[in-house]
Amino acid sequence: AQSVTQLDSQVPVFEEAPVELRCNYSSSVSVYLFWYVQYPNQGLQLLLKYLSGSTLVESINGFEAEFNKSQTSFHLRKPSVHISDTAEYFCAVSEETSGSRLTFGEGTQLTVNP
Amino acid sequence: EAGVAQSPRYKIIEKRQSVAFWCNPISGHATLYWYQQILGQGPKLLIQFQNNGVVDDSQLPKDRFSAERLKGVDSTLKIQPAKLEDSAVYLCASSLGLASSTDTQYFGPGTRLTVL
Repeated sequence: AQSVTQLDSQVPVFEEAPVELRCNYSSSVSVYLFWYVQYPNQGLQLLLKYLSGSTLVESINGFEAEFNKSQTSFHLRKPSVHISDTAEYFCAVSEETSGSRLTFGEGTQLTVNP
Repeated sequence: EAGVAQSPRYKIIEKRQSVAFWCNPISGHATLYWYQQILGQGPKLLIQFQNNGVVDDSQLPKDRFSAERLKGVDSTLKIQPAKLEDSAVYLCASSLGLASSTDTQYFGPGTRLTVL
C-alpha cells in the first residue's frame, strides 16, 4: 500500500522569499502525484498534478513541483511567495492499480509573514 | 459551474447521539467520496461510490458509520452512535470519471463535527 510523508508540518517564511514544501512517497507500482491547497474554512483545491510526461509541472499561480522517481519525491516550490499563499498544503498519491483512491500526507502549514 | 455542496457546515453533538451529513456533488460527476480529516492529519478515505454503487469502503467503521448514494447523485453519511474520536471534518469530493487513478477530485467545504 502507498504512503505519503510530508517532512515539515509548519513552514514560516517572509513575503517574497522562496519556499520548498517536501513530499516523499512509497509505492511498489506506478503512481500519480497531486498537490492540494486548503485555505481556512474551505475545501481542498487541486494545485497541480503529475500524471506522465515532463517531470516538472506548474500551477497557474507560480508554484511548481518536480517528480523524482529515483528519490520518490514530489517537492513543491515557489520562487517568491505572497501573503495570500498562506494555507495548508497536502501532497497526495494514487496508484495505477488502485483506481482513484487518494492517500494524503499529513499536510504542511505554510505561513507567509510580511 | 457549481461546486460540491455540503451541509451542515458545523455540528455539535454529545457522544452516543446520531448525526447525518449531506453532500451534493458537481452535476454529472460519476464518482463520489467521503473523507474524514482529523485535526492535524491529512484526509482519510472512508467510502467511495461509483454512480450509486460502493467501490471502496474498506476504511469505513461499519459498526457505526453508514453511507448511501441514492439515484447516483447526492449522498448522506451517518454516524450512530457517535464517539469522541469521531470529532473531525468530514469532506465530500466528486470526480467526473469512473474511478480512474488520474482523475481530479473536487472537494466541498466540509462539515466540522464536534462530539462532546
